[in-house]
Amino acid sequence: AQSVTQLDSQVPVFEEAPVELRCNYSSSVSVYLFWYVQYPNQGLQLLLKYLSGSTLVKGINGFEAEFNKSQTSFHLRKPSVHISDTAEYFCAVRGEGAQKLVFGQGTRLTINP
Amino acid sequence: DTGVSQDPRHKITKRGQNVTFRCDPISEHNRLYWYRQTLGQGPEFLTYFQNEAQLEKSRLLSDRFSAERPKGSFSTLEIQRTEQGDSAMYLCASSLRTVGTDTQYFGPGTRLTVL
Repeated sequence: AQSVTQLDSQVPVFEEAPVELRCNYSSSVSVYLFWYVQYPNQGLQLLLKYLSGSTLVKGINGFEAEFNKSQTSFHLRKPSVHISDTAEYFCAVRGEGAQKLVFGQGTRLTINP
Repeated sequence: DTGVSQDPRHKITKRGQNVTFRCDPISEHNRLYWYRQTLGQGPEFLTYFQNEAQLEKSRLLSDRFSAERPKGSFSTLEIQRTEQGDSAMYLCASSLRTVGTDTQYFGPGTRLTVL
């Protein structure tokens, strides 16, 4: 079985500042990792994914994430945020051979002008 | 490509009533998933189909819940005798089975409120 822990429920930052949203996972098998974003009253949009290969993954809207197997982490980063990045961000894991995604509880990113 | 669509977007019902939601996946996607998301939480897996076969069901899916995908295209999720605890956002996702792993694309969700 897999589990995901998003270490911060809320992250407030100022516009144009850098941000890191933390995600740790546990699994007894190899995993695939995902970050999704959810804007108010909408479904989830895929930001980026790690399947294999390079541990640094680049996604949409200037986001990137780094897979660290030894620390079982997959933190999401953006060097300069915009007001439009205000949303809920979910880290998800899928175990090898499984189909379902297991999500963390989410991190609410709030951008202050 | 049109995305995953869900209908209705919002549903308000009284406790004890039955409700049915519909999901239309991305064209040619052979896998379809249902998740439930309660306020302030991440989505939780309910069930998934490959073509018309329901291959996995979560223990969250009580006997009052049933899902179908009769022709391997759209899917329906029915909740019988709704309870206030069923109030949540019901999300549908679809994917195309490929070599390696496939990526799930989500619809906008159906928000259910049980009074």
